[in-house]
Amino acid sequence: DTGVSQDPRHKITKRGQNVTFRCDPISEHNRLYWYRQTLGQGPEFLTYFQNEAQLEKSRLLSDRFSAERPKGSFSTLEIQRTEQGDSAMYLCASSSTNREEAFFGQGTRLTVV
Amino acid sequence: GENVEQHPSTLSVQEGDSAVIKCTYSDSASNYFPWYKQELGKRPQLIIDIRSNVGEKKDQRIAVTLNKTAKHFSLHITETQPEDSAVYFCAASIPPGYSTLTFGKGTMLLVSP
Repeated sequence: DTGVSQDPRHKITKRGQNVTFRCDPISEHNRLYWYRQTLGQGPEFLTYFQNEAQLEKSRLLSDRFSAERPKGSFSTLEIQRTEQGDSAMYLCASSSTNREEAFFGQGTRLTVV
Repeated sequence: GENVEQHPSTLSVQEGDSAVIKCTYSDSASNYFPWYKQELGKRPQLIIDIRSNVGEKKDQRIAVTLNKTAKHFSLHITETQPEDSAVYFCAASIPPGYSTLTFGKGTMLLVSP
């Protein structure tokens, strides 16, 4: 396991379609985070899991967004009825319980046309 | 919530010069301050971090200083090299127990040979 992996790397979708992204964290990490990054900005926190429990959600996470981590391992982020404003890089990060350091995946770049 | 301001937005230096990037944070409860380097099209990579019980930390050519009273922290890069060119993000997180990061908007560092 060489790091956090995300799939797909790129996704182009038509407005109104649903999309789902996957994140596989570093295997021994029980904490998983989703962030969104737009051009010229820093990553913005979306949501956080500890094991399978979703412990925090940002107000940025509208009801069209849902995230799951069913077995406390990989996570999925689904966006329903995509809008052009959803176009961004979606980053996943993971960390372990006793250390704050968060390690990021390569991200999934979403383009809504 | 936490707010992190980062300056400058761009910084151009000659190879061998030093570079300093400054951040301020708003919530005095923040206790963990990482710095990430992001090259074009790549994931943010943790380069150094500091916790609130420490005033300074150094790792080879990179150092971070923290002033809790003034609520600001800085990244110092000495003997800059062209491969240091990237966007640098500061971040802050508030306890307890987990690390959901609030990022600054980033500084694009350009190191000219």
